[in-house]
Amino acid sequence: NAGVMQNPRHLVRRRGQEARLRCSPMKGHSHVYWYRQLPEEGLKFMVYLQKENIIDESGMPKERFSAEFPKEGPSILRIQQVVRGDSAAYFCASSRALADSYNEQFFGPGTRLTVL
Amino acid sequence: GQQVMQIPQYQHVQEGEDFTTYCNSSTTLSNIQWYKQRPGGHPVFLIQLVKSGEVKKQKRLTFQFGEAKKNSSLHITATQTTDVGTYFCAGYGGSQGNLIFGKGTKLSVKP
Repeated sequence: NAGVMQNPRHLVRRRGQEARLRCSPMKGHSHVYWYRQLPEEGLKFMVYLQKENIIDESGMPKERFSAEFPKEGPSILRIQQVVRGDSAAYFCASSRALADSYNEQFFGPGTRLTVL
Repeated sequence: GQQVMQIPQYQHVQEGEDFTTYCNSSTTLSNIQWYKQRPGGHPVFLIQLVKSGEVKKQKRLTFQFGEAKKNSSLHITATQTTDVGTYFCAGYGGSQGNLIFGKGTKLSVKP
């Protein structure tokens, strides 16, 4: 049973370009979460999605960032017009149902974004 | 908003020494989770505590959840070099699914 998959694992972009990060949840999981981790920092929640719905995007910057989880295919985190401050590791997690005391989140290997 | 604080930020120990990291929340938590992240890796779930005063053990690791459900600790007995990594605590924020992480304690073990 494959775990959470993320690609690419490493992504280099120049300032002003777009970055697209993909996440395929574990089989049978319909809930996806995106987190950002700056160097030497903890993970910061960005957005929580179910299929075709954004449930909670309270941690997402208001501009340049968007996320989707279509009916078919992976979840996508899109960062438009990247800036150096966007350089970070972006982790995706998935759960079978709403993650709470009884449903664990499983993390993917992350995408390390470097903005030159 | 809710905050989860962890201390210490760094801990250097000699192999065989014990290690403890502490986690404090500004609000009462429904549960607390602990993760380990190796250098260059991703967070790996270790355990979840739900009940007030709960204590759980995993081999050399002991996890505690405070009576008020606002603090927690992870204690490692007789550290080994394989324990190296950053240990994070995390609790759920106001909305379900929104895991709030502490900044982590980075453990290094000198052989």
